[in-house]
Amino acid sequence: SQQGEEDPQALSIQEGENATMNCSYKTSINNLQWYRQNSGRGLVHLILIRSNEREKHSGRLRVTLDTSKKSSSLLITASRAADTASYFCATDTQGGSEKLVFGKGTKLTVNP
Amino acid sequence: DTAVSQTPKYLVTQMGNDKSIKCEQNLGHDTMYWYKQDSKKFLKIMFSYNNKELIINETVPNRFSPKSPDKAHLNLHINSLELGDSAVYFCASSQGRVGYTFGSGTRLTVV
Repeated sequence: SQQGEEDPQALSIQEGENATMNCSYKTSINNLQWYRQNSGRGLVHLILIRSNEREKHSGRLRVTLDTSKKSSSLLITASRAADTASYFCATDTQGGSEKLVFGKGTKLTVNP
Repeated sequence: DTAVSQTPKYLVTQMGNDKSIKCEQNLGHDTMYWYKQDSKKFLKIMFSYNNKELIINETVPNRFSPKSPDKAHLNLHINSLELGDSAVYFCASSQGRVGYTFGSGTRLTVV
């Protein structure tokens, strides 16, 4: 069954602005991961945050995790047109089989 | 070298045909997966194998049969293809519940 729900479903911003995408999930997790998918392409792993971590940074990406609210956010700072893509959160469920359960994704459009 | 490679990239076939998609990973990972991405971009796991052993079979019709000849390969055979099988199929591998790596996908179109 679907675990993550991204919010918003679609986001359109101007280059240079920040983009924030949210993800909520239902069960306890080992970790939560964010992926990017460019149109017609495969999935690229962006960042992983473990259940005992609250915040993680990677370049222009900042991920937060609130396990009490079962939610995570992905912030992309100083966005670029090349950031245009769909972004998915995926969870590794605690006590479950080794697999990722994906949300529906946020389609981000960065206008030049 | 591509870490997870799957072939073919595109597959157009008629209803009722049987087709296979191949996947190979050179990362030394123990676990491999097949995911299906539907027209609404929703990604759902179909199967996983750990060291050639089937671990997950997520209520996929038995027209879909995965085969893992060794831990570096996981192929997907589909019998009697139906229109609803049209989707993008992704192969992936992982080690220790982290470091998932996805292939570039196979776009299957059934006409």
